[in-house]
Amino acid sequence: DADVTQTPRNRITKTGKRIMLECSQTKGHDRMYWYRQDPGLGLRLIYYSFDVKDINKGEISDGYSVSRQAQAKFSLSLESAIPNQTALYFCATSKGYNEQFFGPGTRLTVL
Amino acid sequence: QKEVEQNSGPLSVPEGAIASLNCTYSDRVSQSFFWYRQYSGKSPELIMSIYSNGDKEDGRFTAQLNKASQYVSLLIRDSQPSDSATYLCAVNPGSGNTGKLIFGQGTTLQVKP
Repeated sequence: DADVTQTPRNRITKTGKRIMLECSQTKGHDRMYWYRQDPGLGLRLIYYSFDVKDINKGEISDGYSVSRQAQAKFSLSLESAIPNQTALYFCATSKGYNEQFFGPGTRLTVL
Repeated sequence: QKEVEQNSGPLSVPEGAIASLNCTYSDRVSQSFFWYRQYSGKSPELIMSIYSNGDKEDGRFTAQLNKASQYVSLLIRDSQPSDSATYLCAVNPGSGNTGKLIFGQGTTLQVKP
């Protein structure tokens, strides 16, 4: 079984719709992260959370919000999706300052 | 100036050769360094971690760290076509350390049969 799971794996939606991407982990890690990846732009950090009560903005948080429902669950929401949010989204986890482990990703297309 | 820099490539090597991937970083007090492999459309997969100066070997992979030169590299011996992927260098900066990783843009490696 995968240690970090993401749902959905693929999503096509329309401009203005609200979208939620979910991430769950069974690694027992305290820290969770949301990244987006665009061709030529690499991985960019959207939000990160060090525990349930500690949520921080990353470098590109505008247009996104997150919720850490439990140590094992971290959700990313797009309140009103726009086409330039079309990207590959990854959730990652880490234990403290150590290496991060990534989920399989969600391919999001906003029409 | 980018905090973590990699040559985007593509780096093309013949099967069986040594592939050498390089990464430089700007934060002199960076603490830990990671190499990830990412196949097209897939998620990054951790392949090496290195924390102290010198070499660290794991199978066909060797990571090399030189903190004085702010340089980290990944050597892949006996390169195989299955090694063709993008390799991401990631650095955990020491200053104001929040545990975030700074990623380079990645180097695309092509191993030709």
